[in-house]
Amino acid sequence: NAGVMQNPRHLVRRRGQEARLRCSPMKGHSHVYWYRQLPEEGLKFMVYLQKENIIDESGMPKERFSAEFPKEGPSILRIQQVVRGDSAAYFCASSPSRGGPFTEAFFGQGTRLTVV
Amino acid sequence: QQQVKQSPQSLIVQKGGISIINCAYENTAFDYFPWYQQFPGKGPALLIAIRPDVSEKKEGRFTISFNKSAKQFSLHIMDSQPGDSATYFCAASSFNYDKLVFGAGTILRVKS
Repeated sequence: NAGVMQNPRHLVRRRGQEARLRCSPMKGHSHVYWYRQLPEEGLKFMVYLQKENIIDESGMPKERFSAEFPKEGPSILRIQQVVRGDSAAYFCASSPSRGGPFTEAFFGQGTRLTVV
Repeated sequence: QQQVKQSPQSLIVQKGGISIINCAYENTAFDYFPWYQQFPGKGPALLIAIRPDVSEKKEGRFTISFNKSAKQFSLHIMDSQPGDSATYFCAASSFNYDKLVFGAGTILRVKS
């Protein structure tokens, strides 16, 4: 059973370009969470999605950031018109259900975005 | 109220010693408290977790102590080994919602 798969592992974008980060959850998991980790800081929640639904986007910046989790395919975190402050590690986590027992979130290895 | 405060920021322990990392929270709706271990360039990996119906949970060399009245919990690593050198994050969430609130992390170095 493969873990949470994120790609690319490293992404370099010039200011003003778009960044697309992909996350394939663990098999059987229908809940996906995106977190951002700035250098030497803890992870900050961005968005929580289920298939075809955004459940909680309270941690997402209001502009330039969007996320989706389509019926088929991976979850996508899209950052438009990137700025240097977007440089960070972006982690995806998945869990099999919402709340209750056995709902530990499993993290992918992250995508390290560098904006130059 | 959503914060989880973690200390110390960094910790150096001799091999065989005990590593202790502390966290405090404010939101009484939190009732799930995991600890994650992260190696450089890797994603966080769940180490051990506790729910507030117990005051202590032990798995191998790792123990979580939980004080509900003080809203504090801590990670103890017994017989610390150089391979334990990593960044440790405490986190919290509510039982019915998996969004995790993370502490700022503790960089642990175990000297051999």
